[in-house]
Amino acid sequence: DAKTTQPPSMDCAEGRAANLPCNHSTISGNEYVYWYRQIHSQGPQYIIHGLKNNETNEMASLIITEDRKSSTLILPHATLRDTAVYYCIVSSSSGNTGKLIFGQGTTLQVKP
Amino acid sequence: DGGITQSPKYLFRKEGQNVTLSCEQNLNHDAMYWYRQDPGQGLRLIYYSQIVNDFQKGDIAEGYSVSREKKESFPLTVTSAQKNPTAFYLCASSNQGERETQYFGPGTRLLVL
Repeated sequence: DAKTTQPPSMDCAEGRAANLPCNHSTISGNEYVYWYRQIHSQGPQYIIHGLKNNETNEMASLIITEDRKSSTLILPHATLRDTAVYYCIVSSSSGNTGKLIFGQGTTLQVKP
Repeated sequence: DGGITQSPKYLFRKEGQNVTLSCEQNLNHDAMYWYRQDPGQGLRLIYYSQIVNDFQKGDIAEGYSVSREKKESFPLTVTSAQKNPTAFYLCASSNQGERETQYFGPGTRLLVL
């Protein structure tokens, strides 16, 4: 599985959009980009995933660059409850194991 | 409500003791996973099971054992051979065709006395 690079921490003002970047320059053609988040002392929560098209759901939007070497998770109106560690993961569905490789992630602090 | 439950929330282990962490899901998922998380670190895969009565080692299986006798249950035993068991243990499950979309339980924090 390809490796991802994320900034260790970011701040965001409450009510503003939070844009979390992720680099995955060695991603291969059949690998998806997944985003999870983990609120302190809880289990991770699935947010969204995509292959090459931009995706949106009730939680967030995922923007993947055309060359697929980077992506951005967008929380359109961040709230204090969005304070968490956000993990960007690339994984191939053809691997048949479901193994997710969690790196260090980005700690997002939403401030009032 | 559908979901994954883990018990207990906190568990204390004495030296040389085996302890078992419970994980139950009512999501009708085929696949289940156990991860370990150390402070300030990401998750690491211990064991996974794609179907009842079958399971595979993950990246850090030494000192751990699992069973999958029922679809809903995937207990993890931390044996005395695991020399550094203090960690946060997370169980997850997923559908067969969407293995990377995993639903996690609330976790069990294991501490050594």
